[in-house]
Parts: sequence; structure tokens; C-alpha cells
Amino acid sequence: QKEVEQNSGPLSVPEGAIASLNCTYSDRGSQSFFWYRQYSGKSPELIMSIYSNGDKEDGRFTAQLNKASQYVSLLIRDSQPSDSATYLCAVRPPDDYKLSFGAGTTVTVRA
Amino acid sequence: KAGVTQTPRYLIKTRGQQVTLSCSPISGHRSVSWYQQTPGQGLQFLFEYFSETQRNKGNFPGRFSGRQFSNSRSEMNVSTLELGDSALYLCASSLSIVANEKLFFGSGTQLSVL
Repeated sequence: QKEVEQNSGPLSVPEGAIASLNCTYSDRGSQSFFWYRQYSGKSPELIMSIYSNGDKEDGRFTAQLNKASQYVSLLIRDSQPSDSATYLCAVRPPDDYKLSFGAGTTVTVRA
Repeated sequence: KAGVTQTPRYLIKTRGQQVTLSCSPISGHRSVSWYQQTPGQGLQFLFEYFSETQRNKGNFPGRFSGRQFSNSRSEMNVSTLELGDSALYLCASSLSIVANEKLFFGSGTQLSVL
């Protein structure tokens, strides 16, 4: 079982719609969760971090965490063509000095 | 504030050669991590350094090694290159005392092994 699993996509959404990305993780003791965005040919950049159960909103982005279900998600509201990228879910296992990344979900926003 | 700087940006090597990649973290960041990214495997953790000490190592063969200097700059070395080592190698630095919190990535070094 992979440590972090994401919907492989690709996910295509019309401009203005909500894009929903899902991620599950295997280590129940994990405490830190991140979403990175990676444009084609570029390096990953952090867009959201979440540590507690519930929702965390930042502009058009909302991260949701459910530790009981070992599930973290990212919602992109009012999707724009500039949101077209690969979104990487990352989890830090307990007592570990690394981040485990999912394979990423590629999002395409259609104008 | 300057970001994470990686050099060189591109490298072409042949099998059996060795290569050294360099990373300068954001000023004040003491944790440096290295990742390998390939289309098939995604981002794979190589190792992490903090104050010149390797704190964690991923599941890569011993041909992959690294070090960190007193100014937090880091180098990664791959010896006896294989075709499968072709990948984007990303360095990331972190301010947090807990390693790998809020990583900031460099632009990467694209290594091609022929």
C-alpha cells in the first residue's frame, strides 16, 4: 500500500466550477498535511497546509482534513485557467523527517 | 529574499560517470532535503540534512550520497550513473525546526544519463 494515494486524474473542469481533489494516507499517526501545486516544467510550490480536523480556507482554496478517515482534500472554487497544474498531496509521517508525496492529480480548467 | 538555488540546471552524463549537484537554501533555512522526480515514480525522498547532519535517508542505493556544509549549502552526489537515474532532482529548504515542514523547492537539476 502506498503511503499517500491520490486520484490520478486528469481532472477537467469548466472555468468557474469547483475542482475537488482527494488524497488518502496510510499512517494513522500523521499530523502534517500539505498541498503543493506544480506547473508543467516548474518546481512544486506550497499552496495549503493543514494540521487539524476540519476545513481551512485560503482565498479560493479550501483544504479539508479527516484524520479518522485518513483523508485530506483540496477544493478549488471558481476555477481559473491559471489553476491548470498538477496538485500534489504531501503527508509527514509521525517521527519522520521527510514528506511523502502522492503521485499528483493533473487539473485542466477549460475556458 | 532569494529562493532556493540549484546548479546546474541541466546535466547530460553517460553511464558509469558520477555527478555532483549543488543547492543553496533560502537564507536562514537550516534544513535541506533532496527529492527525485520521475514521471513514473513521482517525488521520491532521497535524504534530509540539518546542521550538517543527515537525519533521514530514503530507499535509494548507496550510490546516492549527500552532505551539508556549515553555511547550510548542500551537495548531492551520484556515482556510477545508470540510465534509470535520469530524473529531475529537486532540492528544498525549510525554516521550521521540524524537518520538511513547509518546504520551498528550487528549480531542480534535470539529469539525463545516456
